[in-house]
Amino acid sequence: GAGVSQSPSNKVTEKGKDVELRCDPISGHTALYWYRQSLGQGLEFLIYFQGNSAPDKSGLPSDRFSAERTGGSVSTLTIQRTQQEDSAVYLCASSSRAGYDAKNIQYFGAGTRLSVL
Amino acid sequence: KQEVTQIPAALSVPEGENLVLNCSFTDSAIYNLQWFRQDPGKGLTSLLLIQSSQREQTSGRLNASLDKSSGRSTLYIAASQPGDSATYLCAVEYNNNDMRFGAGTRLTVKP
Repeated sequence: GAGVSQSPSNKVTEKGKDVELRCDPISGHTALYWYRQSLGQGLEFLIYFQGNSAPDKSGLPSDRFSAERTGGSVSTLTIQRTQQEDSAVYLCASSSRAGYDAKNIQYFGAGTRLSVL
Repeated sequence: KQEVTQIPAALSVPEGENLVLNCSFTDSAIYNLQWFRQDPGKGLTSLLLIQSSQREQTSGRLNASLDKSSGRSTLYIAASQPGDSATYLCAVEYNNNDMRFGAGTRLTVKP
């Protein structure tokens, strides 16, 4: 597709279950970001992948959160033992930035709305 | 602490009116600043990006300004239309990948 694709669009889960959220970035984009948007709040940075470099995990809120990016393309955000405060919209973005001084136009997916009951 | 604040939280205007959305940031050592639009149930769309060395950017009816010294940016929308109704987010990038978002301004343009 032409844009960033995220699946599922909605996910309802029970507290304590594990969930996986998927992101397909724009083809050729080397940078991929995960954000979380809680109700009434701004976006919160979670993790950043750039090419084959080690990801920047500084935004992950706890060790229950992890993310992978296989083959430099598709990424999966995993939340283990979900809790109610994990309920939010999880947004993925990709960009073609190639270096520190490059413009960083991020293209966002529609997000996955996670509800933890 | 690097914070991004957007005022107002919500704004309702009649069609045709010019309007200004405000964004302020506490740390002026920014890398760039972006304005995004978010429609319900959809992802964010980048509207304008201003590099730290620039003062403003324009795209159609949109004009974004940046004043690093005062820690402020404004998004000016001319001749507003009902289709402009959305949430507008300001995002400040501080280094290679640290991007902080404001909570957004929810704009409603009434026909």
